Amino acid sequence: AQKITQTQPGMFVQEKEAVTLDCTYDTSDPSYGLFWYKQPSSGEMIFLIYQGSYDQQNATEGRYSLNFQKARKSANLVISASQLGDSAMYFCAMRPHSYSGAGSYQLTFGKGTKLSVIP
Amino acid sequence: DSGVTQTPKHLITATGQRVTLRCSPRSGDLSVYWYQQSLDQGLQFLIQYYNGEERAKGNILERFSAQQFPDLHSELNLSSLELGDSALYFCASSVDHTAPGNTIYFGEGSWLTVV
Repeated sequence: AQKITQTQPGMFVQEKEAVTLDCTYDTSDPSYGLFWYKQPSSGEMIFLIYQGSYDQQNATEGRYSLNFQKARKSANLVISASQLGDSAMYFCAMRPHSYSGAGSYQLTFGKGTKLSVIP
Repeated sequence: DSGVTQTPKHLITATGQRVTLRCSPRSGDLSVYWYQQSLDQGLQFLIQYYNGEERAKGNILERFSAQQFPDLHSELNLSSLELGDSALYFCASSVDHTAPGNTIYFGEGSWLTVV
């Protein structure tokens, strides 16, 4: 079974500053993917970034980067140059990989971190 | 826009009633997932379909059922509704369900309020 832990229920960041949202995970699967999603107050779940457990480099997508430390089982999201529109809930999630096509590999989510960007 | 379409966006219904939530996955995606998000339970996986076949069940109540049709759209049926079923229901899709790198995209969700 997989478990995702997000220890920061809420965080504040000044506009234009960088912020790191923490995520640790636990799994016995040898291969897995880590995801971050953003959920604004309107409710939709927006995919931000993906990191495969065997990827050699940390993933980046525009202002988002994932600080992946496999030995520590952490996958922190870094948002650079925060904007007011970044205020939202952020969810870390993971799912195992399979190369055989067998089984079901749905996402397991953390409880989320509410980020508030201050002007 | 994720490419995953969910209808209706908002639904208010009475206890005991039955509703159907509909999902159209992204073009080319064969796998569809349903999730329930409530304040007390967080995001809970309900059920998954792959190319028309059920692949996994999560915390789905017996009063709930789903199916995926030949055109790959999916429906989640919720019956004998209770106040506690009020939640945001998400549909998500991916190309397949296991391989590395396959991103799972979510729809905008269907807000269900049971009164």
